[in-house]
Amino acid sequence: GESVGLHLPTLSVQEGDNSIINCAYSNSASDYFIWYKQESGKGPQFIIDIRSNMDKRQGQRVTVLLNKTVKHLSLQIAATQPGDSAVYFCAENRDTGRRALTFGSGTRLQVQP
Amino acid sequence: SQTIHQWPATLVQPVGSPLSLECTVEGTSNPNLYWYRQAAGRGLQLLFYSVGIGQISSEVPQNLSASRPQDRQFILSSKKLLLSDSGFYLCAWSVRGLNNSPLHFGNGTRLTVT
Repeated sequence: GESVGLHLPTLSVQEGDNSIINCAYSNSASDYFIWYKQESGKGPQFIIDIRSNMDKRQGQRVTVLLNKTVKHLSLQIAATQPGDSAVYFCAENRDTGRRALTFGSGTRLQVQP
Repeated sequence: SQTIHQWPATLVQPVGSPLSLECTVEGTSNPNLYWYRQAAGRGLQLLFYSVGIGQISSEVPQNLSASRPQDRQFILSSKKLLLSDSGFYLCAWSVRGLNNSPLHFGNGTRLTVT
């Protein structure tokens, strides 16, 4: 069935570098996407979201890019810090009638000092 | 501000025992409420969601049930736990009636069935 997935299960970067985490989705009807950060033993924390009528949105040190042509979503983290080490999930709202999110399997970001 | 509480944080239960996990939300009214389960190293699987008191939608057939006795209270239950029920259970809320709004998660309950 259609699902949200991730290209890289683990991403290792040097402190201070920029990080890019990618996500592919297959449901062209999805109209809302979110990135979450999950630290060990905690619930997912909202980072940033984007609607399908946009292709870019920026937050504090983070940028989400949406390419609807190839059904690709990415999260860019600028000047990655040790505190950014966590698992990152993309999620989509592919069934607005259900009002629930479908999550990908996650990418672990490891920041090397 | 809105807060969401889940308890207990960790739980070890024998196979065949009952389960009750509770989730409450503060600082908002009429939220949508959700239960997700996360297996180790995996993504989140939606179990139940609720758009109002007494209104429960089940996503997958399983050994679990959910109830919403009050507007901001969501309970996950089982009459007899199975080994496969082990996992990290997450409660979440979102703003009802607002299209495309994020889910806000609690810090979860780690359940180990032995």
